[in-house]
Formats: sequence, structure tokens, C-alpha cells
Amino acid sequence: GAVVSQHPSRVICKSGTSVKIECRSLDFQATTMFWYRQFPKQSLMLMATSNEGSKATYEQGVEKDKFLINHASLTLSTLTVTSAHPEDSSFYICSARTGLYSNQPQHFGDGTRLSIL
Amino acid sequence: ELKVEQNPLFLSMQEGKNYTIYCNYSTTSDRLYWYRQDPGKSLESLFVLLSNGAVKQEGRLMASLDTKARLSTLHITAAVHDLSATYFCAVGGETSGSRLTFGEGTQLTVNP
Repeated sequence: GAVVSQHPSRVICKSGTSVKIECRSLDFQATTMFWYRQFPKQSLMLMATSNEGSKATYEQGVEKDKFLINHASLTLSTLTVTSAHPEDSSFYICSARTGLYSNQPQHFGDGTRLSIL
Repeated sequence: ELKVEQNPLFLSMQEGKNYTIYCNYSTTSDRLYWYRQDPGKSLESLFVLLSNGAVKQEGRLMASLDTKARLSTLHITAAVHDLSATYFCAVGGETSGSRLTFGEGTQLTVNP
């Protein structure tokens, strides 16, 4: 149980393109999803917390107009990297929490490797 | 601001040996997680530690938590090549608004 599916797994596109990444909870409802970014050989950095039906909460230093997050249903959150540039190239990982309470564990998707040429 | 530090960052060891990875965190938290990440892959959950003195074991890995010292350890017993991966600790819970703060990661290489 508690499977999180992320799509696509790999994207290569030209600079200036907008890229959408989907994060789905397959067998549970997720009121809260999280988006992380990981640069090579580095740790995961939380970008934003996505709550179903409300605006995402962004971490300090993350541009909300650059990284658009939509959490329109209890099983789907999307991250759109708008007008992507080479410095946006990274490994993006989503996670979903199984319940309403913050003490419940997060389950991670398989990640999306984004390469901007 | 919560800070999570892991030590060592890189670890190369021979099969059959034992070693411990340390995770220190700077402020009170009510849960600590250990994850494994293989190259190019996402995170695999290993342990969740919820209280002071908690100890969990799975195969050759054992994790413990000392909330007073704000320290968690991941002990590797008789390492095998298949344990080669990057290991992250992460701290979260009620006091951090459910957000997870990750350590830098420990890249473990087990040599035959």
C-alpha cells in the first residue's frame, strides 16, 4: 500500500519550455503532498507543501511564479516549471502523506529527472 | 532554523566490517527518519524513530534515537556490497509543521 506515482520519470527539453510533473497517490487519499528538489550529490531540499484545495506553501527562496503547484484533488498534485532554464535542471521528487495528521509518514514518488538544454 | 548534520558524508568500507553513521539535529523534534537512495532513484524508507531510546533493526541495519542528545545513529553490521547507497536522515513532526529537513546524506560504498 501507500504507492506514489510520479510522471514523467525523465524530461529533456529546450530552454524556455514549461514542464509539468504529476504526482499521484494511487491507493490512498493525500491531503498534503510535498515537492523536493535534489541537485547532484546533494540532499533533498523542500520546495513547497501542497494542500488539496488551497494554495501551496513555498519555502523561502522558492519562486512561486516559477514553480506552479496545483493540488486539485486528493490524489493528484502537479508541479509546473515555467520557462525552464538550464539552472532548473535537477531531480524533482514528490511525496504524499497518508492522513490528516502531520505525524503520519510521507511516501515518496520515483522522482523526475529534468534536463534543460 | 532546524539543521540536520550527518557524519561521515562519505564512507568506504570492506565487506564484513561494522560502522556507524551519525545524525545530529539542532532543535527538538518528535520523529526521525532514515532513508536509502540508490543512484538515480528516489528514497526508500528504512526506519521511523518516534521516541527517546527507540531502537529498530532490519537485517544488517540498526537505528537508534537519543532525543536528549538530539542524535540518531544508523549502525551497519557485517556490511555487504548490496548496502552500497546514500543514506539520509530526516527530522520532522509536529514541531516542524510536518515538513522534513534532511541531512546531507552519507554515501556508503562497500567493497568486496
